[in-house]
Amino acid sequence: DTEVTQTPKHLVMGMTNKKSLKCEQHMGHRAMYWYKQKAKKPPELMFVYSYEKLSINESVPSRFSPECPNSSLLNLHLHALQPEDSALYLCASSLRPGTEGSYEQYFGPGTRLTVT
Amino acid sequence: AQSVAQPEDQVNVAEGNPLTVKCTYSVSGNPYLFWYVQYPNRGLQFLLKYITGDNLVKGSYGFEAEFNKSQTSFHLKKPSALVSDSALYFCAVDNAGGTSYGKLTFGQGTILTVHP
Repeated sequence: DTEVTQTPKHLVMGMTNKKSLKCEQHMGHRAMYWYKQKAKKPPELMFVYSYEKLSINESVPSRFSPECPNSSLLNLHLHALQPEDSALYLCASSLRPGTEGSYEQYFGPGTRLTVT
Repeated sequence: AQSVAQPEDQVNVAEGNPLTVKCTYSVSGNPYLFWYVQYPNRGLQFLLKYITGDNLVKGSYGFEAEFNKSQTSFHLKKPSALVSDSALYFCAVDNAGGTSYGKLTFGQGTILTVHP
């Protein structure tokens, strides 16, 4: 199974709402990533979890809060977002973190987020 | 710092003809180089990677890439293009042992259109 799943596929939320994005993989990967992608642009790294610990935070605003409950799950909690946060949010995983070698990342299909 | 350049925003090719999508990179150490493809409304899909060794790397769906250290390039190629190859292609680099180690840096992407 080489699949990363993400739920929901689409999410519309107001600026005062609290919502969560969910990502799951069952490949035994020990690194998981959150990316933000605007249309026709490259993904922008937000967070990296290595062995369930947050290892990289790319200076992301605190209205985005990641969580890694176990080695298969990754959540992104959203609160008080701005319209400019509307984007495709991609989750990815790799067998090991990039600091241990050249491990390719497997991406989920993404959650299309619209902030109104 | 590491960087990737994809000099062509768009590449158009006729079905059955060879295709090339260009990528050049800049890193201070040894590069790990990757190609990913993204179909509309989908996540990124890994195609191939270069770590070390043979400069010609073969990947999924008949794609290959040639690593050229002197020209710091990693161009993606396919001998005979298919209409279904039409997508957005991203080159990415990770700098083994460098200050950005463990983080992929993506190029801006190249839209490949294969005409019937």
